[in-house]
Amino acid sequence: EVQLVESGGGLVQPGGSLRLSCATSGFTFSNYNINWVRQAPGRGLEWVSYISSSSSTIYYVDSVKGRFTISRDNAKNSLYLQMNSLRAEDTAVYYCARDLYGVQIDAGMDVWGQGTTVTVSS
Amino acid sequence: SYELTQPPSVSVSPGQTARIACSGDALPRHYAYWYQQKPGQAPILVIYKDSARPSGIPERFSGSSSGTTVTLTISGVQAEDEAAYYCQSTDISATYRKVFGGGTKLTVL
Repeated sequence: EVQLVESGGGLVQPGGSLRLSCATSGFTFSNYNINWVRQAPGRGLEWVSYISSSSSTIYYVDSVKGRFTISRDNAKNSLYLQMNSLRAEDTAVYYCARDLYGVQIDAGMDVWGQGTTVTVSS
Repeated sequence: SYELTQPPSVSVSPGQTARIACSGDALPRHYAYWYQQKPGQAPILVIYKDSARPSGIPERFSGSSSGTTVTLTISGVQAEDEAAYYCQSTDISATYRKVFGGGTKLTVL
């Protein structure tokens, strides 16, 4: 069974840091591009970041550039999101989501984790 | 910046057909995807590449594209289809990003 399991969320003060993890199983992780997507309370989905299968290509939404860093360890079948200088507006459920295989620019996301909650508040 | 526009809500009675539109200037050039999300759950892909249906998704879900608008159609709506539906596509006008529509809450009356 294909699975993505996020962890690492929690309550953090503004300006603080968190590192999210996404553990995967049931597929060849190193063959897939992966994303982080977030959803603020009562709001819609927002794409946050993308990393290609080999880590050679990385993208971020403008609002997190310079604060968040996406990375992966193909040997451990895991994805990460280092979040620094956190703001109240970063409060959300964070999902990792796998890109459709073999689709480069126009990929959608066919498998999602259950999400981990990040709350930024003093 | 590039946006995808969806109606906030659609309501239908059981057995009727629900249509949810999503408009965006770049849709003729980039695939659209549709996700279903029920409260407290992660999104599920229901349509990919404008009109393809993943395995395990009921045949009553279909997608179509015409110009700058893509449409998710749910034929013979069932109570279990009540959920939020999001369209998603790609924006490469400035830098790469995936873009979501604001979401449509489907209510089954």
